[in-house]
Amino acid sequence: NAGVTQTPKFQVLKTGQSMTLQCAQDMNHNSMYWYRQDPGMGLRLIYYSASEGTTDKGEVPNGYNVSRLNKREFSLRLESAAPSQTSVYFCASSDRPVLASNQPQHFGDGTRLSIL
Amino acid sequence: AQSVAQPEDQVNVAEGNPLTVKCTYSVSGNPYLFWYVQYPNRGLQFLLKYITGDNLVKGSYGFEAEFNKSQTSFHLKKPSALVSDSALYFCAVRPNSGGYQKVTFGTGTKLQVIP
Repeated sequence: NAGVTQTPKFQVLKTGQSMTLQCAQDMNHNSMYWYRQDPGMGLRLIYYSASEGTTDKGEVPNGYNVSRLNKREFSLRLESAAPSQTSVYFCASSDRPVLASNQPQHFGDGTRLSIL
Repeated sequence: AQSVAQPEDQVNVAEGNPLTVKCTYSVSGNPYLFWYVQYPNRGLQFLLKYITGDNLVKGSYGFEAEFNKSQTSFHLKKPSALVSDSALYFCAVRPNSGGYQKVTFGTGTKLQVIP
């Protein structure tokens, strides 16, 4: 019963390097999300995918791109990493879009990313 | 603009004592309110939500929360704290209205239950 699986769990990058964070869910959920968690700032939405085939910007999309590969998978790409992108990244999913419903989200265990 | 305030960065409580983690919110119209818990090196786990109706909402692991519209609060409570309740707790809100609405998370409150 995996739920939401994120890979990798930890990563260190140099400024300017690129990287893709992977996320997969096995709950047949329609909607998926990428958040970043920074100390003292709660969670901030980067991008979301309300359903397969659609993606939309959240609060802090600059410097990121996403791909909804299929219903299960939603990846986050940093094209040119910057130190300001050092954070813990969480992927989440829900049956219906949380931005249009009262659905709770199911979160993965996060990717801890450091950019030097 | 909507917002969530968790006024205490940390709450310490003795095992067996009641606990309260505070949350106040600001939103246009009526709210949907959520509590999540985060254990170290883990993602957030849903605890409970308020949609409408009864102001006292019961959730997982013996937690409950009381919605108070006049005070715009949604405090998380548990009658008897366990050491295993020690974790980071997040309150979240979104407007109870049509269309796509932003979900806003608080900054989190660390709960420390002392044996």
